[in-house]
Amino acid sequence: QVQLVQSGAEVKKPGASVKVSCKASGYTFSDYYIHWVRQAPGQGLEWMGWISPNSGDTNYAQKFQGRVTMTRDTSITTAYMDLSRLRSDDTAIYYCVRDGAVAPKNDAFDIWGQGTMVTVPS
Amino acid sequence: DIQMTQSPSTLSASVGDRVTISCRASQSIGTWLAWYQQKPGKAPKLLIYKASILETGVPSRFSGSGSGTEFTLTISSLQPDDFATYYCQQYNSFSYTFGQGTKLEIK
Repeated sequence: QVQLVQSGAEVKKPGASVKVSCKASGYTFSDYYIHWVRQAPGQGLEWMGWISPNSGDTNYAQKFQGRVTMTRDTSITTAYMDLSRLRSDDTAIYYCVRDGAVAPKNDAFDIWGQGTMVTVPS
Repeated sequence: DIQMTQSPSTLSASVGDRVTISCRASQSIGTWLAWYQQKPGKAPKLLIYKASILETGVPSRFSGSGSGTEFTLTISSLQPDDFATYYCQQYNSFSYTFGQGTKLEIK
């Protein structure tokens, strides 16, 4: 079945970086954009950006530009999200999500990973 | 950036009730709107896309309507499984914004 499986929980010190992985299976990885969305404890959803697994092109939300890097390895159908210069307010669950349309079109987010908790103690 | 405003923030209702959640966009987004359901400790689940199209497998008691800046999610007859938090999301022109969420509670 179509699924996204993410790496495990992380605890990082302020100022450090974290890299979260997202393994895709059950569909043609290169056909659909992968987005990253985060959710702070008890808060709403925040879109961070997307990557095209086919071309490697990226589009980051302005808030995260300069701190986030999204990459992919097509040989192992895995996407990565690297967030640097971590602060306590980066503590959140990070989700990778598949776009519902075949690229280059875009649509709603139809498949979600299970989420990765990243904790940055203050 | 396009801002999305949901109302109400919290809604108390009973099994069998008909409920409506509203979502307003700060500028026109056509029908590029989705609704998601999230239960505690779980990832969100897509319910409706393009404002009114039901995702495969979603019960028909869920429906969506609207275009431009005003949108509505309706649950025709609440079931116990429907008590959750609901988010709207706009995805116009490769920009993405979520509403702040509506928590649907048991009265």
